[in-house]
Amino acid sequence: DQQVKQNSPSLSVQEGRISILNCDYTNSMFDYFLWYKKYPAEGPTFLISISSIKDKNEDGRFTVFLNKSAKHLSLHIVPSQPGDSAVYFCAASLFYNQGGKLIFGQGTELSVKP
Amino acid sequence: DAGVIQSPRHEVTEMGQEVTLRCKPISGHNSLFWYRQTMMRGLELLIYFNNNVPIDDSGMPEDRFSAKMPNASFSTLKIQPSEPRDSAVYFCASSLWDRDKDTQYFGPGTRLTVL
Repeated sequence: DQQVKQNSPSLSVQEGRISILNCDYTNSMFDYFLWYKKYPAEGPTFLISISSIKDKNEDGRFTVFLNKSAKHLSLHIVPSQPGDSAVYFCAASLFYNQGGKLIFGQGTELSVKP
Repeated sequence: DAGVIQSPRHEVTEMGQEVTLRCKPISGHNSLFWYRQTMMRGLELLIYFNNNVPIDDSGMPEDRFSAKMPNASFSTLKIQPSEPRDSAVYFCASSLWDRDKDTQYFGPGTRLTVL
């Protein structure tokens, strides 16, 4: 069973526009969510996170929104840049109970076109 | 800091051979994770250690897989015997978990090909 799902395998956006990547989860006990970015031939790198007590976290061009009732989170990138082209993974954890164990989605490949 | 170091970066072996993947976590981190990435299953957690002790190995696919962490600065993932379906990219990650946050830092991965 896949507890964290990214239903869009790919997304193409024009430079300067907003990119919205979506993620759904099934376990209502998840209390910590993260987004990772991955370039080819490299390991994933941490981008931004959010605790379940919040509904929004912002860091520069990146904002993560959490809708607990819908079990849905999204990553907004504004404005999108060609260097943002990568695979984005969302991840969830039972942070306070299992400290550190992350469940990843399948990833969404973002392509930002000049 | 050099980040998480993994070796080798690429490994090609024949079915039935033993494969050992190595990982050096970031100094001072107290948790270490082994992941496998495949097209079919995405990024899946195999096992993780906290303070060198295995906490959860429920993701280890079979008895052919084993992992050790003899000290805070070194871990191995061993596959014996290897099979073609083990071909994947294996990532090691480390973190310093505390009650306020947890960020895992990934190594560059080992691309394993079993012929």
